[in-house]
Amino acid sequence: KAGVTQTPRYLIKTRGQQVTLSCSPISGHRSVSWYQQTPGQGLQFLFEYFSETQRNKGNFPGRFSGRQFSNSRSEMNVSTLELGDSALYLCASRRRSQETQYFGPGTRLLVL
Amino acid sequence: DQQVKQNSPSLSVQEGRISILNCDYTNSMFDYFLWYKKYPAEGPTFLISISSIKDKNEDGRFTVFLNKSAKHLSLHIVPSQPGDSAVYFCAASAGGNAGNNRKLIWGLGTSLGVNP
Repeated sequence: KAGVTQTPRYLIKTRGQQVTLSCSPISGHRSVSWYQQTPGQGLQFLFEYFSETQRNKGNFPGRFSGRQFSNSRSEMNVSTLELGDSALYLCASRRRSQETQYFGPGTRLLVL
Repeated sequence: DQQVKQNSPSLSVQEGRISILNCDYTNSMFDYFLWYKKYPAEGPTFLISISSIKDKNEDGRFTVFLNKSAKHLSLHIVPSQPGDSAVYFCAASAGGNAGNNRKLIWGLGTSLGVNP
């Protein structure tokens, strides 16, 4: 069974731009979560989607948004990028009835 | 406020010896705990989990111990191998039905180095 895939793997943007990241979950997993990882901050939860609806949300500003499609694929968008948005963005999927999340390789975003 | 704490940022162990990674939590409602391993530039990989109804769970070289009264869990790796060198994250969840409307709360991680 294929794992969680994320595209692109690496991205360089400048301040003020916007970016869209994509995540394809494991087949059969309908829940997708997004995390931001920065040095010294661990994994910060952004949001979780299930059945195209946001079910949980972390403490991030409204510049961070997401959506989920009917095939469970998810996208995350960050508008008006700031230098501090430079991070590894991780997507994880799981079966709704299970706790264990399975992560993709992440998208490394650098904001200049 | 960090509800899941991994107080040791790093740990160094000799190959073949035991590695013990610790995790403390403050929320008594947490009822499911997971350990993940992460290599640089990769996503975390699930290692082992434990429900609060148990105090021990074992999978090969990995054993997780849960002490609910102390709000403490630990991951034991025996014997440690150089390939175990990675960052280890502890995570906990609470509330709702299993898997539904539950959010994982993560520790900041412990970097384990296993020396040959």
